Amino acid sequence: EPEVTQTPSHQVTQMGQEVILRCVPISNHLYFYWYRQILGQKVEFLVSFYNNEISEKSEIFDDQFSVERPDGSNFTLKIRSTKLEDSAMYFCASRGFRNQPQHFGDGTRLSIL
Amino acid sequence: SQELEQSPQSLIVQEGKNLTINCTSSKTLYGLYWYKQKYGEGLIFLMMLQKGGEEKSHEKITAKLDEKKQQSSLHITASQPSHAGIYLCGADDQGGSEKLVFGKGMKLTVNP
Repeated sequence: EPEVTQTPSHQVTQMGQEVILRCVPISNHLYFYWYRQILGQKVEFLVSFYNNEISEKSEIFDDQFSVERPDGSNFTLKIRSTKLEDSAMYFCASRGFRNQPQHFGDGTRLSIL
Repeated sequence: SQELEQSPQSLIVQEGKNLTINCTSSKTLYGLYWYKQKYGEGLIFLMMLQKGGEEKSHEKITAKLDEKKQQSSLHITASQPSHAGIYLCGADDQGGSEKLVFGKGMKLTVNP
């Protein structure tokens, strides 16, 4: 069964460094998302991406964050200058059409030191 | 924005027992999704409910949507250790937003 894949599974980075989280959505899906889950808290929406542009973003998604779909398969989340509070599990999701469910990857655990 | 409250927060049951999890929304529900998450792993899609009164089943899991109560329930029949994990409900946010808002999750332990 097709699935969303994320790499790396775990990323450890020094505060202030840039980090890129990678995702390969399900082939033929049109809508792409990033969410994050801080330990012990709810899964929170970060950003949605459709037709090669951001369609919606949350207050969390400030100027330190950016997303890109550099080719036909990858979808990346970049954090320019990481902070301690960016430590979380980051999930990528995709869906085919608006009335279909979002399918999630296994996540990247980001640890900022 | 919309808030989802899940109850109970955690549950420990003996294998073979039935159980029900609830998810209550602060606002009208337009689309309700159930996911299962194993600790430290991703969210596995279980079921999607979009219409009031809708009920769906997959294997031993049944989900219902009560539009009037702004609530969904997930029922597991004859639970097995493989059902253990964290059950999350998610809902389409208001006003045509694409984002999902999630409840905090319900941790299920099934003892053999």
